[in-house]
Amino acid sequence: TQLLEQSPQFLSIQEGENLTVYCNSSSVFSSLQWYRQEPGEGPVLLVTVVTGGEVKKLKRLTFQFGDARKDSSLHITAAQPGDTGLYLCAGADTGGFKTIFGAGTRLFVKA
Amino acid sequence: GAVVSQHPSRVICKSGTSVKIECRSLDFQATTMFWYRQFPKQSLMLMATSNEGSKATYEQGVEKDKFLINHASLTLSTLTVTSAHPEDSSFYICSAAQGRAFFGQGTRLTVV
Repeated sequence: TQLLEQSPQFLSIQEGENLTVYCNSSSVFSSLQWYRQEPGEGPVLLVTVVTGGEVKKLKRLTFQFGDARKDSSLHITAAQPGDTGLYLCAGADTGGFKTIFGAGTRLFVKA
Repeated sequence: GAVVSQHPSRVICKSGTSVKIECRSLDFQATTMFWYRQFPKQSLMLMATSNEGSKATYEQGVEKDKFLINHASLTLSTLTVTSAHPEDSSFYICSAAQGRAFFGQGTRLTVV
């Protein structure tokens, strides 16, 4: 069974601070995704990383895929209250359709 | 991007009754859809894989007789929670794939 360990599970920081969320697995995934979910809604895809060592940037968010394609990180620079939400890492199987989610990181950014 | 729609978005039912949730791929065909359950403040847990024209594949610990899945067409999968109990109250989310997984907006089920 493929499992994704995500940490930390909860993070409360002040506006302007930086943070990093980690996602680790003992399994190799064909790709890893990062989602953001608002209460009462489905998850919304932020980014997909496919190549080992890949780094992608989305404004103040930086995503990295480990060389062995077993781990990933999400770094947010100068966090803002609007970044508050549940961040989920997810791994897709070889076909890329069956998605397994990490436990999630609930981020709260205080103004 | 592709759109996946769930209906209803919210449902309240009495304990012992059955509830059907629909998942539709609006602008593409999906031979495979997935059903997830999410309890408050927890992540999404995969319940089952819905396969068009064949039986669903359930994850370990998920009762197939309680959570009936029917994937009768390439654009529709349904999840029926049978004899619902308060502990079945949860947020149910489906996904369908076209190049990647697209998620529905979720269904909040409350069993009273």
